[in-house]
Amino acid sequence: QSVLTQPPSASGTPGQRVTISCSGSSSNIGSNAVNWYHQLPGTAPKLLVYSNNQRPSGVPDRFSGSKSGTSASLAISGLQSEDEADYYCAAWDDSLNGNVFGTGTKVTVL
Amino acid sequence: QVQLVESGGGVVQPGRSLRLSCEASGFTFSYFAMHWVRQTPGKGLEWVALISSDGARKHYADSVKGRFTISRDNSKNTLYLQMSSLRDEDTTVYYCARDLGVPGSPLDHWGQGTLVTVSS
Repeated sequence: QSVLTQPPSASGTPGQRVTISCSGSSSNIGSNAVNWYHQLPGTAPKLLVYSNNQRPSGVPDRFSGSKSGTSASLAISGLQSEDEADYYCAAWDDSLNGNVFGTGTKVTVL
Repeated sequence: QVQLVESGGGVVQPGRSLRLSCEASGFTFSYFAMHWVRQTPGKGLEWVALISSDGARKHYADSVKGRFTISRDNSKNTLYLQMSSLRDEDTTVYYCARDLGVPGSPLDHWGQGTLVTVSS
């Protein structure tokens, strides 16, 4: 079961800014870095943001991450049709001694 | 370029065993920790296990602890997941993924996944 809580869905029109939240606890987000992934239908997840706010090479700067306390968020600015996907947050959990993923958020571009 | 190719999935009866493999190429496999992550089609991601670059350190999700064993052969650039006492709820797609190697264990490359179906 997921330890990190995300809203099940988010949506916006092209060009808008969409924000996805990720709520955890002191044992995961509160004490470790947060990573974000997105997943297009039928494909493997892809790393979008790591270490709270770092982007791997090739990821557009439209994607930005932040963290505060036991919560984190991913912002997508200038929403594009190709951003329609499932988004997951993740963090190491010191109590479980393992990685935990968020419940996932489906982003729809209207 | 980095490639991870899983194999070994298939249909297996409850209580039986299965071994998944993940062949890595395009990078120095022995330098990186590796993970297994699974996902039931249409559902969310579940982390399964982690092994350090030298194989000395291993961690497991509670849902598989005592039943699954992660291992690696750095001479063959291959990661393994030995699954035993399989249950219906282990039916899912299994991905191997490379750990970027910074705090927080971000997974920067993933395989295409292999489907395991546990059914009598």
